Parts: sequence; C-alpha cells; structure tokens
Amino acid sequence: DIQMTQSPSSLSASVGDRVTITCRASQSISSYLNWYQQKPGKAPKLLIYAASSLQSGVPSRFSGSGSGTDFTLTISSLQPEDFATYYCQQSYSTHMYTFGQGTKLEIK
Amino acid sequence: QLQLQESGSGLVKPSQTLSLTCAVSGGSISSGGYSWSWIRQPPGKGLEWIGYIYHSGSTYYNPSLKSRVTISVDRSKNQFSLKLSSVTAADTAVYYCARGITGDPATFDYWGQGTLVTVSS
Repeated sequence: DIQMTQSPSSLSASVGDRVTITCRASQSISSYLNWYQQKPGKAPKLLIYAASSLQSGVPSRFSGSGSGTDFTLTISSLQPEDFATYYCQQSYSTHMYTFGQGTKLEIK
Repeated sequence: QLQLQESGSGLVKPSQTLSLTCAVSGGSISSGGYSWSWIRQPPGKGLEWIGYIYHSGSTYYNPSLKSRVTISVDRSKNQFSLKLSSVTAADTAVYYCARGITGDPATFDYWGQGTLVTVSS
C-alpha cells in the first residue's frame, strides 16, 4: 500500500494567517493527489484534485502544489470557516486508494 | 444539484452482514463515466475507501476488505448498495457513499451525509 503521511497532525493559527499543510507519499504518485476538508459531523468536501486543480466553488485562497512524493495545501488567508480537518488522498494506486491521517486546523 | 443519501441498519450484531443503500437524486447513476463508491470512517479516525461500482455493474474493491464486500447497483431505482459480511467491532464506522469523477474514479466530488453503523451484540 502507498502510505500517505501528513504534517503537522494539528496546527493552531489565527484568522488572516497563511497556512501550509504537507502530505508525503511513500512512493511516487505523479499528480494523483486530492485534498479534502472535513468539519465535525459532516462529510469530507473536495478542495483540490490532481494536486493543483481547484474544485468548482472552492475559494481561491486554497491552493495545492507538488508532484511525485511531496505535496502541499496552502490557505493564503485563513477565514473562520476554514477551521476543520484536512485530508490528502492518493488516487494513483489502482483499487488501493489511501488517505492521510488528517491535519486538524484549530483557532489560536 | 446531485445529492446522495445513505440508509440502512444502524446497529448490526457481530458476525452478521451490514447492509446500506445510497439513493442518488438530481442526476442519473447511469449517466457519464462516473464511479460510485463507499468510504468509511471509524469514530475519531481517518478515512478508508471500501470499493466502487460503475453503472455497468463492474466493481472494484479494497483488497483488505474484498473477501467480505459486495457492492451492487439498481439503475431502475437510481441507487447502489453495500453489503459487508462477518462484521466485527472494527467495522463500526460512519459509512459514506460518494461519486468519483469521470476519468479518475477515486476523486470524490459529491458525498452523502454519512450514516453511523455500530457493530455490537
């Protein structure tokens, strides 16, 4: 299985901050990397697909980059509604799709 | 707007079979090249992909669950279903259904709200 490791596991930040979350794959996954946002009691929401493509309707303050094994999700200016848990997920390994363990973004 | 809604038994006894259905509205399950997945999340933990189906009936499962999983589609009812046999407490989780986008079946753009299934005697 391809292991997806996110860092940090948790993060405290303030409204207006620029935040970066990192996801590392245990082997190359090209650009087959997605980012999701999950709020308590809710389903995950697709933010970024194919490493850097912004899903329709997602604010432009969210961006993704990377390829191969190292990827980042950046929120350029945190808004109150952005406090949530973020997951990366690889869609490279056919029928063995895996998610990272999550990064919980909390208000400082 | 596409909507997905899970339904099924919320409490299952150990060794029995978990059964869930995902009703799709606002679009046809038979249109396009979409895949239809089940994903689960144990309480307080991360996400695990279970498997997906195409409207043709072709199925693909997570190897770690393959021996216990069956996903089926009912095009006439615009819904798809999950059966997971021989359940244990480790199968307690929120179960989500989701749609995979055309061209990448494991990029999930629409999700159901999720349903909690507890395995307990």
